[in-house]
Amino acid sequence: EPEVTQTPSHQVTQMGQEVILRCVPISNHLYFYWYRQILGQKVEFLVSFYNNEISEKSEIFDDQFSVERPDGSNFTLKIRSTKLEDSAMYFCACSGTDTQYFGPGTRLTVL
Amino acid sequence: GENVEQHPSTLSVQEGDSAVIKCTYSDSASNYFPWYKQELGKRPQLIIDIRSNVGEKKDQRIAVTLNKTAKHFSLHITETQPEDSAVYFCAARKEGFKTIFGAGTRLFVKA
Repeated sequence: EPEVTQTPSHQVTQMGQEVILRCVPISNHLYFYWYRQILGQKVEFLVSFYNNEISEKSEIFDDQFSVERPDGSNFTLKIRSTKLEDSAMYFCACSGTDTQYFGPGTRLTVL
Repeated sequence: GENVEQHPSTLSVQEGDSAVIKCTYSDSASNYFPWYKQELGKRPQLIIDIRSNVGEKKDQRIAVTLNKTAKHFSLHITETQPEDSAVYFCAARKEGFKTIFGAGTRLFVKA
């Protein structure tokens, strides 16, 4: 069964540094998403991406965040200048119509 | 804004008993309601979902009911087993748009 993959599994960075989180969605899916989950809390929507553009974003997804699908297979989330409060698990997801499939997540630790 | 309320936050049952988790949603345009199981440090895994044109769906020991008028939906797990212990999230979504998650229910199944 096809799976969503994410790299790296764990990223440690210094506050103020840029990070890029990478995802390879399931190949025939059309909708792509990023979510984050702060330890012990619920999963929070960040952004959805369809037809090579952002279709929806939350208040969390401010100017420090950007997404890109650079080559038709990868889907990336960039955080320009990380803050301590960006420390969380970041999940990529994709869907055809209904079911969203989640990747294994990238644990981001900002020091 | 859109919101999904989930109760209880913690549920402890004896092995073999049933577990019920309840959710309410605020956006009447939501038409898809997935339930996810998340084990510690792992990704959310879809366990069952229901669309708004269906009132009930069952898959072995798991069932979901939806009351669209009241904007309530519930997860029922029968004959619980220790391996059912995890955090369960309900969610609500309009097709192609963001998924709003509930706060999660930590289920403990005591052997």
